[in-house]
Amino acid sequence: ELKVEQNPLFLSMQEGKNYTIYCNYSTTSDRLYWYRQDPGKSLESLFVLLSNGAVKQEGRLMASLDTKARLSTLHITAAVHDLSATYFCAVEEPNKWGGADGLTFGKGTHLIIQP
Amino acid sequence: AAGVIQSPRHLIKEKRETATLKCYPIPRHDTVYWYQQGPGQDPQFLISFYEKMQSDKGSIPDRFSAQQFSDYHSELNMSSLELGDSALYFCASSRGQGAVAYNEQFFGPGTRLTVL
Repeated sequence: ELKVEQNPLFLSMQEGKNYTIYCNYSTTSDRLYWYRQDPGKSLESLFVLLSNGAVKQEGRLMASLDTKARLSTLHITAAVHDLSATYFCAVEEPNKWGGADGLTFGKGTHLIIQP
Repeated sequence: AAGVIQSPRHLIKEKRETATLKCYPIPRHDTVYWYQQGPGQDPQFLISFYEKMQSDKGSIPDRFSAQQFSDYHSELNMSSLELGDSALYFCASSRGQGAVAYNEQFFGPGTRLTVL
């Protein structure tokens, strides 16, 4: 059974600070996604990481994937209040047709950025 | 760009009633996924369909069933509703199985189901 573990689950930080969210998973998958969710809202896709060593950046967020360590990180640089949200990582296990089955999500990191 | 459409957006039901949630995927997407997210929880995969056939099954209760129609829209049917079924239900869609390297899932706005 695929397990996805995120840490920390709760994070309160000051604006302007840097921090990293970690996502460990138990399978050999090389397909990992990061999503943002605001309260009561849908899941917004942030990053799609498809290979070992993949690094993607968008604004103050940067995600990376190490498939050998089964670890992905989401790094926040110089945090601003607007980044307050819950962040989920999700792992995809390819099916026998090479397509995708349901995603397995981590528990989420509830991020609060205080002015 | 067109997104995944879900209806209704909000639904209130009594215990033991039935509910039907609908999902209209992004045009040209042939795969649909259903997820359930309880309060403060992570989304849990329920079931998926590709070309109208069930392609994967997750933690879907026996009281629930789903299908995908010829126009690729999908319906999740929920019977004998329980208080614990109160949750956000998301539908996601993707394009292609096998012929593409990966299938990014795009999520709809969700249906909030409240069981009283």
